[in-house]
Amino acid sequence: GAGVSQSPSNKVTEKGKDVELRCDPISGHTALYWYRQSLGQGLEFLIYFQGNSAPDKSGLPSDRFSAERTGGSVSTLTIQRTQQEDSAVYLCASRGGGAVQETQYFGPGTRLLVL
Amino acid sequence: QKEVEQNSGPLSVPEGAIASLNCTYSDRGSQSFFWYRQYSGKSPELIMSIYSNGDKEDGRFTAQLNKASQYVSLLIRDSQPSDSATYLCAVKGPGGSYIPTFGRGTSLIVHP
Repeated sequence: GAGVSQSPSNKVTEKGKDVELRCDPISGHTALYWYRQSLGQGLEFLIYFQGNSAPDKSGLPSDRFSAERTGGSVSTLTIQRTQQEDSAVYLCASRGGGAVQETQYFGPGTRLLVL
Repeated sequence: QKEVEQNSGPLSVPEGAIASLNCTYSDRGSQSFFWYRQYSGKSPELIMSIYSNGDKEDGRFTAQLNKASQYVSLLIRDSQPSDSATYLCAVKGPGGSYIPTFGRGTSLIVHP
């Protein structure tokens, strides 16, 4: 009965470096989301995966951000050439399939600090 | 542009009082509404969902939805200090793509 897990829990990097953030959704959940939350701000949608459909990337702030989901399970969010404004908590959420399964379950997040 | 508006607060209430949190949304076709609680430094957790006009009660929590006026509220009865958190309102529009829009959240402080 494991929930959504994310790694690393904290990441400090230097400006210009690339980072990879990982999300393990709840087993069997077909939908996976990435959000970003800056200090004192709401959740900013980044990208959404649903089953085998093409992901909805409409929330990605720039082409430095990309994400993939392998085998319909684990997802990796990659930020290239990090900037200080990328510092935030990156949250992953998963959801069971079907119209009635609308509850999103969030992981603990990865706190990214770009120096 | 879909918008979900919440008063950022903080809303301060004494222990035992009723806390009332409000949320308005811009997309008149919205169908699903959610309240999440987020403790400081933690991730959001769902506490209530509501889909039809009227009230929905779950323990000390009551969600109220008025689609005509485009607002949804959350009432917390007998507020406890442990209820102190940020409450996020999320709204999902109609259609097949499930991407809810989140408000910025209202900070609630319940003081003893």
